Amino acid sequence: GAGVSQTPSNKVTEKGKYVELRCDPISGHTALYWYRQSLGQGPEFLIYFQGTGAADDSGLPNDRFFAVRPEGSVSTLKIQRTERGDSAVYLCASSLGREGLLKFFGPGTRLTVL
Amino acid sequence: DQQVKQNSPSLSVQEGRISILNCDYTNSMFDYFLWYKKYPAEGPTFLISISSIKDKNEDGRFTVFLNKSAKHLSLHIVPSQPGDSAVYFCAASKDSGGSNYKLTFGKGTLLTVNP
Repeated sequence: GAGVSQTPSNKVTEKGKYVELRCDPISGHTALYWYRQSLGQGPEFLIYFQGTGAADDSGLPNDRFFAVRPEGSVSTLKIQRTERGDSAVYLCASSLGREGLLKFFGPGTRLTVL
Repeated sequence: DQQVKQNSPSLSVQEGRISILNCDYTNSMFDYFLWYKKYPAEGPTFLISISSIKDKNEDGRFTVFLNKSAKHLSLHIVPSQPGDSAVYFCAASKDSGGSNYKLTFGKGTLLTVNP
């Protein structure tokens, strides 16, 4: 597709379960970013990939959160032992390189933890 | 501690008039600023940005003004159109050091443009 895509668009899970959220960046974009937007807040940085490696994971809130990008394209954000406070919209963005201008965000995955 | 503040949760203007969206920041290390527009169920869409070496940047109907001494920026939309109705986010980064992907966002302002 032409833009960043994210699946699923909505995910409802129970407290304590494991979830995976997927991001397909724009073809050819080497940099990929995950952000999280909680209700009533602006997006908050989680992690940045350059190619296959996590160049900056300083925004991950705790060790229940993990993200991978094994082939330098699709990325998966993994959340273990979900908590109600993890409920948010998880946004993915990509860019050609580390020029840093985040122009292209995906539509997000709305995660609800019951 | 909110480093980027958008103190107006909402703003309503008439079609054809000017919309002025305001943003304040507290961290003097911020030197690059961006505005995004967000429709429901969509990701943020980049609108316009400004570096701290400038005090104004214009792109079509959108102009961003930066007042570094006041740590204040504003987005002007002229003329406003009903399709501009959306949530607008102000964001800031520390461009130096290569960490300009790490944006700090405000909470957003809901703009409604009435026909």
